[in-house]
Amino acid sequence: KNQVEQSPQSLIILEGKNCTLQCNYTVSPFSNLRWYKQDTGRGPVSLTIMTFSENTKSNGRYTATLDADTKQSSLHITASQLSDSASYICVVSGDGGSQGNLIFGKGTKLSVKP
Amino acid sequence: DTGVSQNPRHKITKRGQNVTFRCDPISEHNRLYWYRQTLGQGPEFLTYFQNEAQLEKSRLLSDRFSAERPKGSFSTLEIQRTEQGDSAMYLCASTITGGRRNTGELFFGEGSRLTVL
Repeated sequence: KNQVEQSPQSLIILEGKNCTLQCNYTVSPFSNLRWYKQDTGRGPVSLTIMTFSENTKSNGRYTATLDADTKQSSLHITASQLSDSASYICVVSGDGGSQGNLIFGKGTKLSVKP
Repeated sequence: DTGVSQNPRHKITKRGQNVTFRCDPISEHNRLYWYRQTLGQGPEFLTYFQNEAQLEKSRLLSDRFSAERPKGSFSTLEIQRTEQGDSAMYLCASTITGGRRNTGELFFGEGSRLTVL
């Protein structure tokens, strides 16, 4: 069964600290993996898209890694800011699978405190 | 604004009433998705369209739910005889894709929040 599991479910950090969010998936065959940021009450916004051949991709203070062999991805946030408080959702795209080829994780809720 | 537009943003209705949400995708995006999201959860797939064809429906989409995309542009999601359990955020997303693979950037609207009293 195609699944995307994210951990931790929630995380609280102090402003200026770094943090890493995890995403494990069992989607096969694999096409790409996406990270989204969703502010409360808003729609998700794309941070990165990574294909099979990409190991690392950065978007400002956000760096995503992908290990296609172990089917794991991480999102590292550097020097966190209060505006980073949001849910971070991992989405894996299969190739010819169900749900329109997009399998969503439940998200990690990040709270950055001053 | 050339992003994905959803209307209304908020809808409060009484149980048993019908509601309709509209999504205007980014121009020329041929694939359109509908998701439902409850508090603290990730988006749950409801259905998607490739142009005007509805290619897949989730089992979450009971017979009270219907979605259309008549001309392959905007889409509507109608919920008949609403129940309190239908209270959620309904998200629309669009992308441009060729064939079955989904490699394009997926753009979400801001969502339509439904509250059923």
